[in-house]
Amino acid sequence: DAGVIQSPRHEVTEMGQEVTLRCKPISGHNSLFWYRQTMMRGLELLIYFNNNVPIDDSGMPEDRFSAKMPNASFSTLKIQPSEPRDSAVYFCASSFSPGSNQPQHFGDGTRLSIL
Amino acid sequence: GQNIDQPTEMTATEGAIVQINCTYQTSGFNGLFWYQQHAGEAPTFLSYNVLDGLEEKGRFSSFLSRSKGYSYLLLKELQMKDSASYLCAVRLASGGSYIPTFGRGTSLIVHP
Repeated sequence: DAGVIQSPRHEVTEMGQEVTLRCKPISGHNSLFWYRQTMMRGLELLIYFNNNVPIDDSGMPEDRFSAKMPNASFSTLKIQPSEPRDSAVYFCASSFSPGSNQPQHFGDGTRLSIL
Repeated sequence: GQNIDQPTEMTATEGAIVQINCTYQTSGFNGLFWYQQHAGEAPTFLSYNVLDGLEEKGRFSSFLSRSKGYSYLLLKELQMKDSASYLCAVRLASGGSYIPTFGRGTSLIVHP
């Protein structure tokens, strides 16, 4: 089992640039989550998809953030334009249906630094 | 609103026992997870409780009291490798599903 795969592992870019984070969930999982983790705010849910459909995006900070899931094996989180306050670790996680008691499996995260 | 509280940091001695508490005030509760996160790594699943009582899994046990909005994670025979952050996550109703909402985590430092 390959686990949840995220890319890139690290990203350093200048403010104003577009950033795209990628995620491949575990095969067979039908729920996918994007989280942001900082020292100040902990692990925050940004958006989650069920069967490729966005269900709750209330955690997305503002219009600069967008997420897509074109198929069951791929999702992207995009920030455009990026700002220094977006610097954080972004985790993708997948699970079976969120109505079940199955735990989430996390990817290794993308460490994003906006200069 | 939703509120999940954990101590920020705890220290303990190798070989000892430590209890990490989590209290929550939420609506639509449907279970509680504990995750372990080593520095620079992803959270990994430890335990799940949905009914009151104690769930034991090797050196780790987790307890839940739904009426008190309280859970704890008990770590026995502490090892240096147990130094990590421990995250409490409560499953809450959202959009017809149940989504884990995470506490800020408790940083556990195990010293010799």
